[in-house]
Amino acid sequence: DTAVSQTPKYLVTQMGNDKSIKCEQNLGHDTMYWYKQDSKKFLKIMFSYNNKELIINETVPNRFSPKSPDKAHLNLHINSLELGDSAVYFCASSQFGVKEEQFFGPGTRLTVL
Amino acid sequence: GESVGLHLPTLSVQEGDNSIINCAYSNSASDYFIWYKQESGKGPQFIIDIRSNMDKRQGQRVTVLLNKTVKHLSLQIAATQPGDSAVYFCAENSFSGGYNKLIFGAGTRLAVHP
Repeated sequence: DTAVSQTPKYLVTQMGNDKSIKCEQNLGHDTMYWYKQDSKKFLKIMFSYNNKELIINETVPNRFSPKSPDKAHLNLHINSLELGDSAVYFCASSQFGVKEEQFFGPGTRLTVL
Repeated sequence: GESVGLHLPTLSVQEGDNSIINCAYSNSASDYFIWYKQESGKGPQFIIDIRSNMDKRQGQRVTVLLNKTVKHLSLQIAATQPGDSAVYFCAENSFSGGYNKLIFGAGTRLAVHP
C-alpha cells in the first residue's frame, strides 16, 4: 500500500559514473517532483512534471535528466556524477488543482566517492 | 531550550511539555503553508496546513498559527512525546508560471527528553 516509492534506497558509486533513481506513485496524482536534501537537511526542489510534461526546472545542471514515462512514474538520471551530488533525493507527488500538499517518498541516499 | 548548532537549530524539550517551533517565510503573496515532519531515514510527512485567510488551525495535539503581518508561522505541539522527535519543516506555496511550488524552510530539530 506504499504511496510513493523510490528505488534504490541507497546508491554508492564512483565519480564520473552514470546512475538512475526510479520513483513510482500509486495515489493517482498527476504531478511529480524531485527534491535534493543536502547534509544540512536543506530541501530544495529540482524538477516537477505535470501529466508527463516538465513544468519546473530549478536551474539544475544538465547532467540531471528527469524522465516521466507516464503520470505514475518519474525517474531521475544523473550523468558524470560529481562529489557534490552526494545527497538524499526525494520524489514527491500531488494532485494539481485539488490541494498543494505533496506526498514524499522514503528517499534515495546517493554517495559519490 | 533553543539553540543554533552547526547544522540545524535544535529545540530540546521534556516529555509532556508543549513545544513551539517557529518559521519565517519570505513571500507575502504566499497563500498556503504546510508543516512537515521528517523522522530519521524517512521522507517528510504532512502534519498540518493552513491557508492565508486563516490565522489559526488545530489538529490532533498540533496547532499552526499564521501571522501574515510579520510573515511568521509557528507549530505548537501539545504534550510532546518521544515519538515527536524529528526535524520539522515549514513550507510556503509559491504560485509561479501557472503551477504550485513548495519552498521549504531550513528545518528545526525537535529533541524530546524523558
